[in-house]
Amino acid sequence: GQQVMQIPQYQHVQEGEDFTTYCNSSTTLSNIQWYKQRPGGHPVFLIQLVKSGEVKKQKRLTFQFGEAKKNSSLHITATQTTDVGTYFCAANQAGTALIFGKGTTLSVSS
Amino acid sequence: GAGVSQSPSNKVTEKGKDVELRCDPISGHTALYWYRQSLGQGLEFLIYFQGNSAPDKSGLPSDRFSAERTGGSVSTLTIQRTQQEDSAVYLCASSPEREAHNEQFFGPGTRLTVL
Repeated sequence: GQQVMQIPQYQHVQEGEDFTTYCNSSTTLSNIQWYKQRPGGHPVFLIQLVKSGEVKKQKRLTFQFGEAKKNSSLHITATQTTDVGTYFCAANQAGTALIFGKGTTLSVSS
Repeated sequence: GAGVSQSPSNKVTEKGKDVELRCDPISGHTALYWYRQSLGQGLEFLIYFQGNSAPDKSGLPSDRFSAERTGGSVSTLTIQRTQQEDSAVYLCASSPEREAHNEQFFGPGTRLTVL
């Protein structure tokens, strides 16, 4: 079945450093969504990408969808302690359920 | 308005007992999803409802797991003869319309511990 691979599994950065997490699929995706889960919390929707090559920004967060619609990335510029949490990508092919990656857990030290 | 709510927030049960987990989606959301999240792991899809019907049950781990949704609103996930490996956080999410691939709104989850 469809799988969504997410790397790295863990990432520790110093406050102010940049951070990137990658999401890859062997199959073409209809869309991709990104969620953030704070420690002890539940996933919260961040953004959805639909178009090939799409780039969207939310303040210090930049989301990209690959040209082939098989990969995506989330980049955080100048991380802050409030960025701590686990970032999940979630994707589906047409007509299938949303499949979540295993997530990248980000820790930030000040 | 109110978000997705789930009850109970925590459930401790003995191996072999049955448990029922409840999800109240956001009013008007037609799509409802159940996921399972083990400690430090990702989200494992269990089942999806569109209205009262469940077109996708592919994620249910075994026939001990079942779910229903009544009135296009509340859903219950039932686990029969619980096993220790069933221990996890069970998350429910709702969405206005699945086909549009809308964002999913998650509830706070039910933490199930099977002793």
